[in-house]
Amino acid sequence: KAGVTQTPRYLIKTRGQQVTLSCSPISGHRSVSWYQQTPGQGLQFLFEYFSETQRNKGNFPGRFSGRQFSNSRSEMNVSTLELGDSALYLCASSLGFVTGESTDTQYFGPGTRLTVL
Amino acid sequence: QQQVKQSPQSLIVQKGGIPIINCAYENTAFDYFPWYQQFPGKGPALLIAIRPDVSEKKEGRFTISFNKSAKQFSLHIMDSQPGDSATYFCAARNPPLGGYNKLIFGAGTRLAVHP
Repeated sequence: KAGVTQTPRYLIKTRGQQVTLSCSPISGHRSVSWYQQTPGQGLQFLFEYFSETQRNKGNFPGRFSGRQFSNSRSEMNVSTLELGDSALYLCASSLGFVTGESTDTQYFGPGTRLTVL
Repeated sequence: QQQVKQSPQSLIVQKGGIPIINCAYENTAFDYFPWYQQFPGKGPALLIAIRPDVSEKKEGRFTISFNKSAKQFSLHIMDSQPGDSATYFCAARNPPLGGYNKLIFGAGTRLAVHP
């Protein structure tokens, strides 16, 4: 089974621009979560999408948004980029529900390294 | 209450040693505690996970010890190898209504295993 894929892997933008990152989950997974990883703040939850609906949200400003398509692929958008948005953006996919002993494990992609100049 | 505190920040052991990484939490609603391993340039990979109704779980050379009353859990790596050199993150999940996958991560521990 193919893993979680993220595109692009690297991106350089300037302040004020906007950016769209893409994530393709593992086949059969319906939940996609996004995380921001920085040296200072570590790994922070951005939001989760399940069946095209956002069902969880972290404490990030409204400049950070996302969506999910009917094939479970997800995109994350950051508008009006700031220098502090430079980070590794990670996408994680999972089945999206817990049944029996299942814990709905999240599997991470390699991330998109965003640099804002 | 949403924090997971992880220590130490970095750790150096000799090959064959048993590094121990500790995490503590406050929120008793957390229902799932995974550990992730991350190599440079890669995304985190699930190593092992535990639920709060279990006190210990072993998978290969990796063991989680869980102390529910103390709200602490730890990762032990038996017979550590240079290939285990990576950053390790503990995490906890708070299951809000309608969703399960909001993981709260510790700050990470950078482990170096010297030959």
